[in-house]
Amino acid sequence: DSGVTQTPKHLITATGQRVTLRCSPRSGDLSVYWYQQSLDQGLQFLIQYYNGEERAKGNILERFSAQQFPDLHSELNLSSLELGDSALYFCASSAGQFAYEQYFGPGTRLTVT
Amino acid sequence: EDQVTQSPEALRLQEGESSSLNCSYTVSGLRGLFWYRQDPGKGPEFLFTLYSAGEEKEKERLKATLTKKESFLHITAPKPEDSATYLCAVRNSNSGYALNFGKGTSLLVTP
Repeated sequence: DSGVTQTPKHLITATGQRVTLRCSPRSGDLSVYWYQQSLDQGLQFLIQYYNGEERAKGNILERFSAQQFPDLHSELNLSSLELGDSALYFCASSAGQFAYEQYFGPGTRLTVT
Repeated sequence: EDQVTQSPEALRLQEGESSSLNCSYTVSGLRGLFWYRQDPGKGPEFLFTLYSAGEEKEKERLKATLTKKESFLHITAPKPEDSATYLCAVRNSNSGYALNFGKGTSLLVTP
């Protein structure tokens, strides 16, 4: 158990809908990262937050957004969902802005039908 | 652009049969090479971080090594519970704090 929690574990929704994925980092960790894992692309970095502020962006679609709240939990919002958005979404956390080791949560499996 | 290539894509070993997994990388300014283990449907589990050529780290039956162009994950006398996908990732000076992952090696250890 990494100490990172994610909810929900599974999510099934229809195309065009909007969903919110939630992540709570390990106790004391200030950085949160979001990754997408699909069969063909592997693990892809989406976005990073540090202590409430956006710090780095990867190949995140404009339909996707995220935020980190004062209690350090983070939410990833996915809108106008398409079939291709079906994937595992992982949250990871690390101790500080420059900490190298990232610890991953159990993931949310999103299925868009 | 960073490139991380893992080989082989899949590996089947008998229990006790030692082997190595390879991770070749191309980055400008390596700021760490990471190994993770991932079980099906689970999140990646952190194993090792290596920072400079010549560095080695060990954990139980696993040993990770690093050169200027590649890293190896050596598995000595594996057991069935070592079956998993092993992921390699790099962090460079230009990618901020993100990890760039390879596609992994799927390891199956049979009794």
